[in-house]
Amino acid sequence: AQSVSQHNHHVILSEAASLELGCNYSYGGTVNLFWYVQYPGQHLQLLLKYFSGDPLVKGIKGFEAEFIKSKFSFNLRKPSVQWSDTAEYFCAVNSRGNAGNMLTFGGGTRLMVKP
Amino acid sequence: GAGVSQSPRYKVAKRGQDVALRCDPISGHVSLFWYQQALGQGPEFLTYFQNEAQLDKSGLPSDRFFAERPEGSVSTLKIQRTQQEDSAVYLCASSLDGNQPQHFGDGTRLSIL
Repeated sequence: AQSVSQHNHHVILSEAASLELGCNYSYGGTVNLFWYVQYPGQHLQLLLKYFSGDPLVKGIKGFEAEFIKSKFSFNLRKPSVQWSDTAEYFCAVNSRGNAGNMLTFGGGTRLMVKP
Repeated sequence: GAGVSQSPRYKVAKRGQDVALRCDPISGHVSLFWYQQALGQGPEFLTYFQNEAQLDKSGLPSDRFFAERPEGSVSTLKIQRTQQEDSAVYLCASSLDGNQPQHFGDGTRLSIL
């Protein structure tokens, strides 16, 4: 069975600080990897995804993530956070190539950016 | 543009009542997923439809949970004889096919008293 672990449940940063949120997954096969973001009062939105190719993936709003296969990791980064990045961030995986690819989510990381 | 629409946004029910939650996916999306998100946790998979066929219901926590998508579009998640542990946000997601990113609705927050 797949599992996803997000190490930080709550992160508090000041504006302009750099961000790195950890994500590790457990699965024996080939996976697709995702980061979703949920802003206060809004639905889950896709931030970025990795299916194949370049392991450094760039997403919206200046976010990027790096897939390190040997470490089963897909950490999310942003060089300089803004107050508007305050949200909850979820890492998720599913199995590549299977129909019915349900997502397995981590527990989420709540990010608060102080102005 | 139209996204995934869920209704109601909030539902309060007494323990033992039946509830029905509706999901209207993005037009043309073949795949539809239901997830349950307990407070402070990530979403957990409940069930999956490809068109009208329910291909995976392995995540449904008990036989009180039932989902359908009779015409391959709108889906309903029904919970019979609700219990307090059913209190959660129920999320619906759709995708063009099973290998494309999923688009989520706002969810229905269910509270069982």
